[in-house]
Amino acid sequence: QLQLQESGPGLVKPSETLSLTCSVSGGSISNTNYYWGWIRQPPGKGLEWIGNIYYSGSTFYCPSLKSRVTISIDTSKNQFSLRLTSVTAADTAVYYCARRSYNSGDFHYWGQGTLVTVSS
Amino acid sequence: QSVLTQPPSVSAAPGQKVTISCSGSSSNVGNNYVSWYQQFPGKAPKLLIYDNNKRPSRIPDRFSGSKSGTSATLGITGLQTGDEADYYCGTWDSTLRAGVFGGGTKLTVL
Repeated sequence: QLQLQESGPGLVKPSETLSLTCSVSGGSISNTNYYWGWIRQPPGKGLEWIGNIYYSGSTFYCPSLKSRVTISIDTSKNQFSLRLTSVTAADTAVYYCARRSYNSGDFHYWGQGTLVTVSS
Repeated sequence: QSVLTQPPSVSAAPGQKVTISCSGSSSNVGNNYVSWYQQFPGKAPKLLIYDNNKRPSRIPDRFSGSKSGTSATLGITGLQTGDEADYYCGTWDSTLRAGVFGGGTKLTVL
C-alpha cells in the first residue's frame, strides 16, 4: 500500500522560506506512470494545486505561485520536496503531497497533510 | 475564484439522490479527464471518481461520475448521513498548463 508522509516546520516567519518534504513508501517515486504533486488548503477554504514533478525532474507550477515555488525530487531517497519563498499569512494552509496519474491526472494517494502557519 | 465552478452547497434526505455539478471550459473539463474527491473535516481528500466516470475499487457504486461538454457531474444515490462531507472536482487546464480544482460543495444529508 502506497503511503505518503509530509514533514517540515509547522511555523514559518513572514518573508522566510517554507520547506516541506514528502516521503514515499510502498512504491517507487521513479515509476514512469505517475507525477508527484503538492496541493494546499487554507483554513476553511478549498483545494489549491501548487505543482507537480516527474521522476525526471520536469515540473509544472501554479501560475500564481510560479515565481516563488520550487519542487524537487530525490529518487535515491524516494522523496520529493516543496520550497515556497517570501511567504505571507496568505500561505498559511494545510499542505498535502499526493501521487498524480500521468495520463488521467487524478490524485489517487494523498498524505495526511501538514499545517503550516506563517506568523511572526 | 476557482477555474471550475461548483455549487457551494447541496442537501437531500437520507436514501435520496443528489448531484453535484462542475462547470468549466474547453481548456479544462471539455478536453481533459475529471476526477472527484470527498473530504471530511480535518482529513485528506479521498479519490471518488477518476477518468470522468471510473471508481477506485474501494468506492461503492452509489457514487457515479459523468461528463458532457464542459460540465461534469457527481451523483450519489442512497444518501447516508456518513456521506456528509465536502466534494471537489479537479482536472488539468491545457491553456494554463496547471491543475485546477472546483471551489468545493458541502453536502448536507438532512
